[in-house]
Amino acid sequence: ETGVTQTPRHLVMGMTNKKSLKCEQHLGHNAMYWYKQSAKKPLELMFVYSLEERVENNSVPSRFSPECPNSSHLFLHLHTLQPEDSALYLCASSQEWDSYGYTFGSGTRLTVV
Amino acid sequence: AQSVTQPDIHITVSEGASLELRCNYSYGATPYLFWYVQSPGQGLQLLLKYFSGDTLVQGIKGFEAEFKRSQSSFNLRKPSVHWSDAAEYFCAVGGYQKVTFGIGTKLQVIP
Repeated sequence: ETGVTQTPRHLVMGMTNKKSLKCEQHLGHNAMYWYKQSAKKPLELMFVYSLEERVENNSVPSRFSPECPNSSHLFLHLHTLQPEDSALYLCASSQEWDSYGYTFGSGTRLTVV
Repeated sequence: AQSVTQPDIHITVSEGASLELRCNYSYGATPYLFWYVQSPGQGLQLLLKYFSGDTLVQGIKGFEAEFKRSQSSFNLRKPSVHWSDAAEYFCAVGGYQKVTFGIGTKLQVIP
């Protein structure tokens, strides 16, 4: 399998649940990203990992917790979310942090009820 | 601060007609510029990118874009649109370790 794979594709969770989003890339890239995509808003960068080290955290609420156990895998742990957190969460990777040519996964459509 | 403006939220074109999607950017130096396409239920796919050199950039699926420094623009074009081009298109500008995306232009193609 090639590219960036995200699971699950769809997730419905209650406000008191704990869930995790998973991202896997098979491209040998060293940088991975989490983006939030909401309707009528630009993509919002949430987290950046370069060589498994978090290098950017864009004022994201603590109810979102990223984890990068190795350069191929990225997780986003979710707990006590709010309805406004409903969105499409996209994972992306690039060769290096400043490579810019991102490869995106298909995203996880999250609905918080 | 860098920014991207896509003035058209929604565009409708007839199949076979030409297409131009507008993108204006703000950046203090020579920017890196990108166009991505997103089909429904999918992630973003890179169409083309400009880093330096020739200001007319060719991409995948028959798309091209032209960098015009004087107008701070990077418009996307296609001479003949196919129904499969219906999607949302995002312009992006990259600076040092940061990429900023526009809000997207949704393209509808009618027969």
